[in-house]
Amino acid sequence: GAVVSQHPSWVICKSGTSVKIECRSLDFQATTMFWYRQFPKQSLMLMATSNEGSKATYEQGVEKDKFLINHASLTLSTLTVTSAHPEDSSFYICSAFPGTGNEKLFFGSGTQLSVL
Amino acid sequence: QKEVEQDPGPLSVPEGAIVSLNCTYSNSAFQYFMWYRQYSRKGPELLMYTYSSGNKEDGRFTAQVDKSSKYISLFIRDSQPSDSATYLCAMSDMDAGNMLTFGGGTRLMVKP
Repeated sequence: GAVVSQHPSWVICKSGTSVKIECRSLDFQATTMFWYRQFPKQSLMLMATSNEGSKATYEQGVEKDKFLINHASLTLSTLTVTSAHPEDSSFYICSAFPGTGNEKLFFGSGTQLSVL
Repeated sequence: QKEVEQDPGPLSVPEGAIVSLNCTYSNSAFQYFMWYRQYSRKGPELLMYTYSSGNKEDGRFTAQVDKSSKYISLFIRDSQPSDSATYLCAMSDMDAGNMLTFGGGTRLMVKP
């Protein structure tokens, strides 16, 4: 299957700082990437859909000014959590969709964010 | 009512048992059905991918889709302790921009 690399896998930061998470498709071009958030023992919550070369589409209730998404190339999308607060502590996972005709979605390994 | 319902478990079975995991859904437009396995603090890993109704087998795993009943299943034969994980069902409608709708996940524990 396709490989999606996510980095870092774990980050601790102070309240008020910004954190950037990278998601790369290693062996395919991803026209669409998705960012999810997952709390302990809960399922994945879609935060936003990232399309290469255009603005991300955010799900209802997700602050676009707080969670900045950039999909500048067909292999890289970044999520920046700005002015992080303890309530932003969560497990963030990206996924990539290879393109039309392939319905399979591949996930990164996730990033555990802890805001002190 | 959630669009996709999945028993959260935990489901505890002895090693070697046959495991049955299930999801029900309400949206008749769903065409693509997937099962993902997620270990703790890891990203989901695609296990099975099925289009429309029918069965699909891959090693110890068998996926079944019954669109008439809006019911999908994942069977694991000869379960191993390494199968202990959370299993997520997911589905999509071709017209939904390939966005997946996930079940809540079932936590499986296989005891040696």
